[in-house]
Amino acid sequence: DAKTTQPTSMDCAEGRAANLPCNHSTISGNEYVYWYRQIHSQGPQYIIHGLKNNETNEMASLIITEDRKSSTLILPHATLRDTAVYYCIVARGYNTGKLIFGQGTTLQVKP
Amino acid sequence: EAGVAQSPRYKIIEKRQSVAFWCNPISGHATLYWYQQILGQGPKLLIQFQNNGVVDDSQLPKDRFSAERLKGVDSTLKIQPAKLEDSAVYLCASRTSRSGSGGVERETQYFGPGTRLLVL
Repeated sequence: DAKTTQPTSMDCAEGRAANLPCNHSTISGNEYVYWYRQIHSQGPQYIIHGLKNNETNEMASLIITEDRKSSTLILPHATLRDTAVYYCIVARGYNTGKLIFGQGTTLQVKP
Repeated sequence: EAGVAQSPRYKIIEKRQSVAFWCNPISGHATLYWYQQILGQGPKLLIQFQNNGVVDDSQLPKDRFSAERLKGVDSTLKIQPAKLEDSAVYLCASRTSRSGSGGVERETQYFGPGTRLLVL
């Protein structure tokens, strides 16, 4: 499974958009990009995933570059409750996929 | 719908003792995972079950760790004997394999709150 590179930490002002980048230059054609987050003292929580098209759900948007070597997770209006560690993971989907977590990006949303 | 349940939430033991963690996945989820998360790191997969069969245990330290899912529902992870470096949060996750589920549902792993283990 391909590895990812994320910044160690980021700050964001409450109410502003949080843009979290992820590099995955060795991603292969059958691998998806997944985003999970982990709020302090809780288990990780699924946010969104995509293959090559941009995706949006009630939590976030996922923008994947055309060459699929990088992506950005967008939280459109960050709140204090979005403070968490965000993990970008690339893996094959469904039956054969295995999530390999890196160290993630610690997002601090500030009032 | 109830989430993934784990117990105990906290455990403190001395090195060389044994310990067991229990996980009850979301009802109907055939796939169950155990992860180890050391402080400051992301979770690391220890073992994956599909129903009551092991799919992947390549990262499980088999000399001291064991896991079972006898009836394909709940699962137990055991450490015997424990070492200081086993201090971590042990997370259980489950995922559906139902073919009728939507794409997002089948791809999503649902995590429990974890068991925090401290080995002294």
